[in-house]
Amino acid sequence: GESVGLHLPTLSVQEGDNSIINCAYSNSASDYFIWYKQESGKGPQFIIDIRSNMDKRQGQRVTVLLNKTVKHLSLQIAATQPGDSAVYFCAEYEQGAQKLVFGQGTRLTINP
Amino acid sequence: NAGVTQTPKFQVLKTGQSMTLQCAQDMNHEYMSWYRQDPGMGLRLIHYSVGAGITDQGEVPNGYNVSRSTTEDFPLRLLSAAPSQTSVYFCASSRRGWDEGNSPLHFGNGTRLTVT
Repeated sequence: GESVGLHLPTLSVQEGDNSIINCAYSNSASDYFIWYKQESGKGPQFIIDIRSNMDKRQGQRVTVLLNKTVKHLSLQIAATQPGDSAVYFCAEYEQGAQKLVFGQGTRLTINP
Repeated sequence: NAGVTQTPKFQVLKTGQSMTLQCAQDMNHEYMSWYRQDPGMGLRLIHYSVGAGITDQGEVPNGYNVSRSTTEDFPLRLLSAAPSQTSVYFCASSRRGWDEGNSPLHFGNGTRLTVT
């Protein structure tokens, strides 16, 4: 069945380094993908999205890359800061199902 | 503009009790939904609504009821609480339903429910 998963459950990076969080999806019909950030005790917060007719989209310090050939999505965070510590979820829009399918999340920890 | 507001923030129930989790949004969003979040399982859709008077089931609807009498409110009812319903519940809304185009969900800060 369709699923969205993450390659790594945890990721530790040094402050100032770039972070890359990966996500695999299995539904080739999915056409919209979103990255969310969730801080402790809060709801998921939208970071950036990308549609399947694009392979790259940039925001402020964040870039999302989409490789439809291998069904892979990544979130790159430039110059990681302590405030970036959180759990990051990718989510996939299932055509016709009217729902977002979420991955299990990657916890990003920033080392000083 | 408060966004998506959920109440209560915390709740403890005994098995068999019923309760309603409240969700309200002030963004005039047509689409609203309820998710539960359990450790290691991400977010799973319980119920959703594409507009007032319209609701539908998500992937884990059993034990929960919803109604959508107004655009702003989307309460989630637990009919007879069970320990398996111990979870964090999130309400989310967006500008339009998915079949009319895509827009990112806006989440509330969650209700932490424990059923003993």
